[in-house]
Amino acid sequence: AQSVTQLGSHVSVSEGALVLLRCNYSSSVPPYLFWYVQYPNQGLQLLLKYTTGATLVKGINGFEAEFKKSETSFHLTKPSAHMSDAAEYFCAVSVSMDSNYQLIWGAGTKLIIKP
Amino acid sequence: NAGVMQNPRHLVRRRGQEARLRCSPMKGHSHVYWYRQLPEEGLKFMVYLQKENIIDESGMPKERFSAEFPKEGPSILRIQQVVRGDSAAYFCASSSGDSQNEKLFFGSGTQLSVL
Repeated sequence: AQSVTQLGSHVSVSEGALVLLRCNYSSSVPPYLFWYVQYPNQGLQLLLKYTTGATLVKGINGFEAEFKKSETSFHLTKPSAHMSDAAEYFCAVSVSMDSNYQLIWGAGTKLIIKP
Repeated sequence: NAGVMQNPRHLVRRRGQEARLRCSPMKGHSHVYWYRQLPEEGLKFMVYLQKENIIDESGMPKERFSAEFPKEGPSILRIQQVVRGDSAAYFCASSSGDSQNEKLFFGSGTQLSVL
């Protein structure tokens, strides 16, 4: 069975500090991996995605994530947090099996930025 | 407490037919979002509705697509005269609309296949 685990429902960092949001998955077939962000009162926005090719992917707003197959991880990072990064972040895995397409979500991590 | 319920899970239509996708939000939620996911892509926002109101439909194709969220009953995403390119997974999410603690909860999706 496929699953996604985001470690920590809340992560608090100081402005200017490194942001690290963790995502681990389990999948019996090669997955596609996504990070989404939800700002207050808005729908989801795609931050970045991994499908094939380079395992380090860069997204919008200075975020990046690295797909590590051996660790079944896809952690999201940003070198220096900004107040505007405060939002909820969702990791998701999509798998296609027998023409059925599944999207499995992590529970989300709320990023809090301290001034 | 049932989560967001989408039905059907799989829907097969021939070109030119109509597709109706249903989404029952979580109990107590009055905000519904619809997203489309094509293979190898992330979610694409389609429409944001509150009860009896369309708040943001900037992601909806101008033709053939419509959405509603009546006072009673589920939200419906309707696709008229489907074409092969409409084949995708359609996800619904709901939220309470509480801006202080906004969180989206997702359904399992409806896989639409157009023959």
